[in-house]
Amino acid sequence: DTGVSQNPRHKITKRGQNVTFRCDPISEHNRLYWYRQTLGQGPEFLTYFQNEAQLEKSRLLSDRFSAERPKGSFSTLEIQRTEQGDSAMYLCASRPSGTSQETQYFGPGTRLLVL
Amino acid sequence: AQSVSQHNHHVILSEAASLELGCNYSYGGTVNLFWYVQYPGQHLQLLLKYFSGDPLVKGIKGFEAEFIKSKFSFNLRKPSVQWSDTAEYFCAVNDRTGKLIFGQGTTLQVKP
Repeated sequence: DTGVSQNPRHKITKRGQNVTFRCDPISEHNRLYWYRQTLGQGPEFLTYFQNEAQLEKSRLLSDRFSAERPKGSFSTLEIQRTEQGDSAMYLCASRPSGTSQETQYFGPGTRLLVL
Repeated sequence: AQSVSQHNHHVILSEAASLELGCNYSYGGTVNLFWYVQYPGQHLQLLLKYFSGDPLVKGIKGFEAEFIKSKFSFNLRKPSVQWSDTAEYFCAVNDRTGKLIFGQGTTLQVKP
């Protein structure tokens, strides 16, 4: 399967714990995006990378959130001191750098539940 | 700031009925518009996209959408829905960085 993969698919944690999610984009896709989706809403942009450079962060990304893409391939999203409001589906997408007309391909997401 | 509004949050249709899902966006510049679909238990998939040219675009599985610039709309249509079209549908616009701004989504339930 050469699509975008995300791990884990589900994560249950207690409030205050740290969690880390991983995204493996389609190989050779330079751009990698993270989104968050809560129930009944569309995905909301969190941040994106061009290769290893993080080029934009949404105001939704509080200082408890950090994302990396160290070698320009896979990316990790870490949430420190989780809160119940962090419960959501975290989606990763990738695309070639090209123009803004390029299609983003989404992974299956990681569903986080904070108890 | 760009935004996308989807008017119908939950639509229930019988098989063979026609479908039209509304989508309006706010953005003053050149727009790239997308419809994504999420089938139960699956990830988001692209249905169709519009960049320029013919305002009527055709996508996969018999879907089409019409871009009406004067109305800032990009409505999704299908002449005859099937039970397998049951899914959540998202309209989106992207900005120059490529990030997508999504609407709230419309849940479509097709009764057999």
